[in-house]
Amino acid sequence: DVKVTQSSRYLVKRTGEKVFLECVQDMDHENMFWYRQDPGLGLRLIYFSYDVKMKEKGDIPEGYSVSREKKERFSLILESASTNQTSMYLCASWDRPTEAFFGQGTRLTVV
Amino acid sequence: AQTVTQSQPEMSVQEAETVTLSCTYDTSENNYYLFWYKQPPSRQMILVIRQEAYKQQNATENRFSVNFQKAAKSFSLKISDSQLGDTAMYFCAFMNTNAGKSTFGDGTTLTVKP
Repeated sequence: DVKVTQSSRYLVKRTGEKVFLECVQDMDHENMFWYRQDPGLGLRLIYFSYDVKMKEKGDIPEGYSVSREKKERFSLILESASTNQTSMYLCASWDRPTEAFFGQGTRLTVV
Repeated sequence: AQTVTQSQPEMSVQEAETVTLSCTYDTSENNYYLFWYKQPPSRQMILVIRQEAYKQQNATENRFSVNFQKAAKSFSLKISDSQLGDTAMYFCAFMNTNAGKSTFGDGTTLTVKP
């Protein structure tokens, strides 16, 4: 079974902190994604990566950055966390033409 | 840019009955993938069904089937013999063949009533 693992299920951080959300997949997938999920807004793509050290902006990249130093790991970084970044964050990896596999999500609260 | 629209924020169905969830999308691409994902209260996103745009035949997975109308850019999900375990939020998703941008709808919350 493909496994996509996110480092934390719940996270509480203070405004202004630098926050790292880690995602690891074990199936050698090239493509990895970070989404943000908010009620009534569906899943919105923050960043995606199609290879090591490659990244592309999604629809809402402002306030975020990413790092992909190894194929299996894709990190989402909040440089200076703000309260409007309180949300559910989902990581996914994809090996076309099959499905995208998702992690269990990280519910981040910024106080 | 692609858009995906799910016009039904909430739906309910009686156990054992059939329900159809709507999804429309807009794209200028000719080749792409469409998906329906299920997100139960556990939050784990689970693939329900996948459709490749170049295939004319509608995809079917057990009780789940789609009505894919490429010209109309419509991709509805039919759930037959609904079960209590089908209660979840359902997302329609578009993914281009370059494995790049993906777009999800806002979701439809489905409740199956006993």
